[in-house]
Amino acid sequence: RKEVEQDPGPFNVPEGATVAFNCTYSNSASQSFFWYRQDCRKEPKLLMSVYSSGNEDGRFTAQLNRASQYISLLIRDSKLSDSATYLCVVSLFNDYKLSFGAGTTVTVRA
Amino acid sequence: EAGVAQSPRYKIIEKRQSVAFWCNPISGHATLYWYQQILGQGPKLLIQFQNNGVVDDSQLPKDRFSAERLKGVDSTLKIQPAKLEDSAVYLCASSPIQGASGNTIYFGEGSWLTVV
Repeated sequence: RKEVEQDPGPFNVPEGATVAFNCTYSNSASQSFFWYRQDCRKEPKLLMSVYSSGNEDGRFTAQLNRASQYISLLIRDSKLSDSATYLCVVSLFNDYKLSFGAGTTVTVRA
Repeated sequence: EAGVAQSPRYKIIEKRQSVAFWCNPISGHATLYWYQQILGQGPKLLIQFQNNGVVDDSQLPKDRFSAERLKGVDSTLKIQPAKLEDSAVYLCASSPIQGASGNTIYFGEGSWLTVV
C-alpha cells in the first residue's frame, strides 16, 4: 500500500466553481500534513499546511480527519490560475522525510 | 533572496552514458535534498545532506547513483550508467534546519533527464 494516495483526476471545473478532493495516508503516526501545488514543468511549492482543526487560506480550505486518515482540500470560486497539480504531503513528527502523493490535477476552464 | 539553483535544466542521453546535475541551495541552508520525480508520480527522496554529511541515502540506487556535497554548500548528483527508467526530473531542495517540516523546504526548478 502506498504511503500517500490521491485521486489523480483530472478535475475539470468551470471558473467560479468549487472543487474538492481528498488524500489518504497509511501511517497512523503521521503528524504533519501539507498541500503543495505544482504547475506544469515547475517545482512543487507549498500551498498550505493542514492543521488538526482545519484551516483556511483565502479560497482554499484544508481539513484533516485523523480517524479515517485522510486530508482534503477545497477550492472555492475557482480561477483559471488554480489549474495545477496538487500534491498531498505527510511526514512523521519532526521527521525530515516527506512522503508525497502522486498528485491531483485540477483544470479550471473559462 | 535567490532560490535553489540547478543545472542543467534539460539533458538527453543514451542509456549506459553518464550524467551529472549540479545544485546550489539557498544561501545559509544547511540541509540539502535530492528528489527524483518520475512523470505522473510524486517526488521521492534520494539523498539528504546536513552540511557536508549524508543523513539519509537509503533510497539512492548506489550501484549507479552517487552524490556529494564536499564543502557543505553546492552538490552534485551523478548517474552512471544511466538506464531508461532513470528518465525523470531531479529536484534539488534545501532547508535552513535539520528535521525540516514540509513548510520549510524550498525546491529548485529541477533538471529534466531523458534517457533514450
